[in-house]
Amino acid sequence: DVKVTQSSRYLVKRTGEKVFLECVQDMDHENMFWYRQDPGLGLRLIYFSYDVKMKEKGDIPEGYSVSREKKERFSLILESASTNQTSMYLCASREGRNTQYFGPGTRLTVL
Amino acid sequence: TQLLEQSPQFLSIQEGENLTVYCNSSSVFSSLQWYRQEPGEGPVLLVTVVTGGEVKKLKRLTFQFGDARKDSSLHITAAQPGDTGLYLCAGEETSGSRLTFGEGTQLTVNP
Repeated sequence: DVKVTQSSRYLVKRTGEKVFLECVQDMDHENMFWYRQDPGLGLRLIYFSYDVKMKEKGDIPEGYSVSREKKERFSLILESASTNQTSMYLCASREGRNTQYFGPGTRLTVL
Repeated sequence: TQLLEQSPQFLSIQEGENLTVYCNSSSVFSSLQWYRQEPGEGPVLLVTVVTGGEVKKLKRLTFQFGDARKDSSLHITAAQPGDTGLYLCAGEETSGSRLTFGEGTQLTVNP
């Protein structure tokens, strides 16, 4: 049974804090993705990675960074959280052009 | 960045009714995927259509890919309360494995 797990389902942080969102997949997929989901805007791609230590900017990378030190783990970092980063964050993984699998999401609130 | 427009954004119908959700773009995609997302969970893939004009059926759900591979539709026959959820279309770019998502259609089927 394929699995993408995210470290937290709910997270509350204060403005200016550094925030780490962790994602782990157990399918040995090369590609991993971070999206944020906001009502009426669908899923917007923040960053993605095709391989270990490799990263590419998505459509809305400002205010975020990522790390992929191991194939199974892709971390999203908010260097200094702001209220406009309050959102649902979804991690996904995919092998080539096969099915993309999503984690359950982390609902982040920045106060 | 390629764009996908999904309509309608919200749909509330009675059990037994039929409905269609549309996904349109001015860009050509190599494939079009449809996902369903339930509250508190990540999106789950329903179907992928690849060939222009392709029609796929999944029980009461019928998916169609436009001849020019720029648009798609999801038709649900005799909707049931269990069909309630957020439906997302996603187009795969012709190069690479990035997906561009539509804004989503929140479907509510009332008993």
